[in-house]
Parts: sequence; C-alpha cells; structure tokens
Amino acid sequence: EAQVTQNPRYLITVTGKKLTVTCSQNMNHEYMSWYRQDPGLGLRQIYYSMNVEVTDKGDVPEGYKVSRKEKRNFPLILESPSPNQTSLYFCASRSIEQGEEKLFFGSGTQLSVL
Amino acid sequence: AQKITQTQPGMFVQEKEAVTLDCTYDTSDPSYGLFWYKQPSSGEMIFLIYQGSYDQQNATEGRYSLNFQKARKSANLVISASQLGDSAMYFCAMRLISSGSARQLTFGSGTQLTVLP
Repeated sequence: EAQVTQNPRYLITVTGKKLTVTCSQNMNHEYMSWYRQDPGLGLRQIYYSMNVEVTDKGDVPEGYKVSRKEKRNFPLILESPSPNQTSLYFCASRSIEQGEEKLFFGSGTQLSVL
Repeated sequence: AQKITQTQPGMFVQEKEAVTLDCTYDTSDPSYGLFWYKQPSSGEMIFLIYQGSYDQQNATEGRYSLNFQKARKSANLVISASQLGDSAMYFCAMRLISSGSARQLTFGSGTQLTVLP
C-alpha cells in the first residue's frame, strides 16, 4: 500500500530536549516536505527536499533541521524545542502523473513542548 | 509572494445538498497549480482535486469539482450531494510551477464544513 509513515503520532516533551520525528514514504517520490499546522494559520511549510541531499527552507524553518540521506526518509529534527513549536506536524511526498500533482500526507504528529 | 485566502471559517450544509467553499489566490506568476485537501477529525490530509493554471477545463473528481475563474483568481470547491462523511476541514493550496519559483506549497487557513442530517 502506497503511504507516508510518520512517527510518533503524539509526542510530549520538555523545552530543550532534542527530538526527531521520522517520515518514510514507499512510493519512490523525489519531493518530500514538512509542514506545521496551527489554528487559523493553515499549514505552513518548514522545509522541503527535491531529492537526496537536496533540501531547502520553506516559510518557517527557524528552530528545525532536516536531512535527506535516502530517498525514502526525511526526518525532522528539533535540536532544542521550545513551547512555540507546539503544533501538529505533517510530512508529505509528491507525485506528478500525466501533469497532475498530488501530495501524499502522513497521518500527522501532534507535538507538545512544555 | 503568493497568498491563499479562505474567507469562510465555518460552513453548514444540509445532507444531499451542494455546497461551495471559497478560495481566492494572489500571484503574479502565470504558471501555478491549485489544490484542495480534506482533513477529517482524525487529522490526516486527503487530496481531493487539482487544477493547473493552463488547464482549459475545470477539474472534476467524483462529487468534487473546482470552479476555476482565472480572471477573478478564484478556485472554489463545489461538493455535490453532501454526505455526513464530508464533515471536515477543507484547505485550498497553491504552488508555483515556473522554473526558478520557490516551489513551496502555500495553504489557506481552512474552512470547517459541517454536514447536517
């Protein structure tokens, strides 16, 4: 089954404690991205990756890191989380078929930073 | 920079009726794609429909259609014959396609649709 898998689904942590949210896709997509969703703001892009070893900043990259060592994996790293990073996070990968684009989203990670 | 505006924070519709969710966008780039996503209460994001800026016809996918009015810069989602399972948050999004563009997807703030029995 084609899917984007994010882990964990829920995470509660404390300020300053490094964490990683994993993201894996089994569709051989080149493009992957991370978003955060906050009430009233919709989804905002954190980072995206056009291919292996190619990453770039989105709209709200501060406080986040990513890596793309393999095509299928695109982890999101918070080196020193702060309470303003409490949010719902989504990983996504993209396909383009016959001129039609489609984003496949993971099921989301609800992060709370105390 | 591109911008997406969804002016309806919440909408109600009676089951089996049609509903239109508004979306306007702002970009000076001629080449872009428009998307609609559904987010049920379970949280996952579900792709609904895509419209390219050069597509001659409005996109349709089952009960979903996109009313694309390029001159007005609007891309409204029409859901026909609403079902209780359509109750969800709906997001409009846009991505620039031309070379040299930032390639990021910009989302609106969403519309919470509630279908009444």
